[in-house]
Amino acid sequence: EIVMTQSPATLSVSPGEKATLSCRASHSVSSNLAWYQQKPGQPPRLLIYGASTRATSIPARFSGSGSGTDFTLTISSLQSEDFAVYYCQQYNEWPLHAFGQGTRLEIK
Amino acid sequence: QLQLQESGPGLVKPSETLSLTCTVSGGSISSSNYYWAWICQPPGKGLEWIGNIYYSGSAYYNPSLKSRVTISVDTSKNQFSLKLNSVTAADTAVYYCARQGGALDYWGQGTLVTVSS
Repeated sequence: EIVMTQSPATLSVSPGEKATLSCRASHSVSSNLAWYQQKPGQPPRLLIYGASTRATSIPARFSGSGSGTDFTLTISSLQSEDFAVYYCQQYNEWPLHAFGQGTRLEIK
Repeated sequence: QLQLQESGPGLVKPSETLSLTCTVSGGSISSSNYYWAWICQPPGKGLEWIGNIYYSGSAYYNPSLKSRVTISVDTSKNQFSLKLNSVTAADTAVYYCARQGGALDYWGQGTLVTVSS
């Protein structure tokens, strides 16, 4: 069974600075990895799929990279609306499309 | 614009069956290349993928829940459904339905289901 591990659990960054979030898979998921953003009281929103492709309407300050077991979500210049919880999810291995436990991005 | 809406009881008694329906509008549930998924999120916790189904009826389940879960589809109503039996307080969560073409690109707003006597 595949396990997705995100780090750090909480990341404190100042507005305008760069944030780097990590996601590691217990074994290779190729590029079948997605990133989601979730704000309180809202459903998750798809940011990135295929490890590096931005979903529709996602600003260019969001970028994803990696393949195999190690992945990164980078937010180049944090805006106030970017402070949220971020989840990665693999969809390479069926039947379990496991999520990571999430990284909370908070204002420093 | 595709929209998904969960519906069902917000309160279920322990040991009973949780039943939810997701109604899809603005598109067909019979679209090829997409599965239709259920995800849950206990209060204050992370996301858990429950399972998904193709319009043909082929379903896949999280192994940790497989013994208690059934997902079904009704293409005539453009709906799919979740049944989770023998629920406990640990099944209290917000339940989301979503479209899955690999990643989960369209989500419902979610519905809170509380398991309590």
